[in-house]
Amino acid sequence: GQNIDQPTEMTATEGAIVQINCTYQTSGFNGLFWYQQHAGEAPTFLSYNVLDGLEEKGRFSSFLSRSKGYSYLLLKELQMKDSASYLCAVSGNTPLVFGKGTRLSVIA
Amino acid sequence: DGGITQSPKYLFRKEGQNVTLSCEQNLNHDAMYWYRQDPGQGLRLIYYSQIVNDFQKGDIAEGYSVSREKKESFPLTVTSAQKNPTAFYLCASSIDTPPGQDYNEQFFGPGTRLTVL
Repeated sequence: GQNIDQPTEMTATEGAIVQINCTYQTSGFNGLFWYQQHAGEAPTFLSYNVLDGLEEKGRFSSFLSRSKGYSYLLLKELQMKDSASYLCAVSGNTPLVFGKGTRLSVIA
Repeated sequence: DGGITQSPKYLFRKEGQNVTLSCEQNLNHDAMYWYRQDPGQGLRLIYYSQIVNDFQKGDIAEGYSVSREKKESFPLTVTSAQKNPTAFYLCASSIDTPPGQDYNEQFFGPGTRLTVL
């Protein structure tokens, strides 16, 4: 079966750091995507992890552990515009499988 | 500029009517997808197509139909058989994504919000 779990909601303060976790159990694994989606808009690509370890891209970093079926997205120096949903998606033996997303609220 | 377009952005229909949602891409992508998103939910796959004149059912295909007569176009018809059609519909495309393909980033259109009255 296919199962991807993320927390439903998170709240963090402007300027802080937040970590959004994703655990997965899928049939086959090639890589893991993170997308950002603002309310009413299309998802936009943030990162892609294939190998274990941390990939850093500006304020955003993504980590993958294939053996543990675990990933996280790390957002640093949070800004109000980072308030959005963050979707974890796994590439495996089927088209991308998406988690339900984590709605992040950044407060002043 | 290359991209994916969906039209219209908002669509209202009466219950019992079929409605077709448009999706066009000029990215020269082989694969195209349709997703449904309900409030507070993730993306659920309706149909996908890896090549012209071929498509496969996703997780929630009942009450929907698609066609892929051209590489650039992948319209979705929401039929009267779909019991709860009000939702946000997203179309996406990727370069090539046979299951097992390594990198298959999907690019999304702006979405169509369908409301059935």
